[in-house]
Amino acid sequence: QKEVEQNSGPLSVPEGAIASLNCTYSDRGSQSFFWYRQYSGKSPELIMFIYSNGDKEDGRFTAQLNKASQYVSLLIRDSQPSDSATYLCAVLSSNTGKLIFGQGTTLQVKP
Amino acid sequence: KAGVTQTPRYLIKTRGQQVTLSCSPISGHRSVSWYQQTPGQGLQFLFEYFSETQRNKGNFPGRFSGRQFSNSRSEMNVSTLELGDSALYLCASSPRWTQVGSYEQYFGPGTRLTVT
Repeated sequence: QKEVEQNSGPLSVPEGAIASLNCTYSDRGSQSFFWYRQYSGKSPELIMFIYSNGDKEDGRFTAQLNKASQYVSLLIRDSQPSDSATYLCAVLSSNTGKLIFGQGTTLQVKP
Repeated sequence: KAGVTQTPRYLIKTRGQQVTLSCSPISGHRSVSWYQQTPGQGLQFLFEYFSETQRNKGNFPGRFSGRQFSNSRSEMNVSTLELGDSALYLCASSPRWTQVGSYEQYFGPGTRLTVT
């Protein structure tokens, strides 16, 4: 079992819809969770981080964390074509202190 | 604040050579991590430095090494390059060491290394 798992996609949504990206992790002791956006040919950009159970909202982005079920999700409301990118989930391992990345989910927002 | 800078941005080397990549973190950030990104393996952690000390290491051979200077700038070195070392090498800076509370990393633009 991979430490951080994401569906590689592509996830295709129409412009204006809600995009839902999911991530599961294996280290039950993990406390810090991050979402990065990576455009093709560019480096990852931190868009959200969450440390507590529940929801955290920032503009059109909402991160949701459920530690009991060991999953974290990212919702993008009113999706725009400019949101088309690969979204990387990262989990700070409580065992090693390393930031472990998932393989990423490719999101395509169609006009 | 200026972001993370990496030099050079692109590099072409031949097998057997060595290479040194440089990273300057965001001002005030003391932790620098290095990652290798390839299409097949994704983002893989190489090592992390904090206050000139290596705090964490990934599963890479000893050909990969790094160091950090007193001004928090970091370099990584790859000796005896192999074709499989072709990748995007990313540096990320953080204000804190991983074991201390929260941890947000900010990536530089990367160095694209091609080994022929």
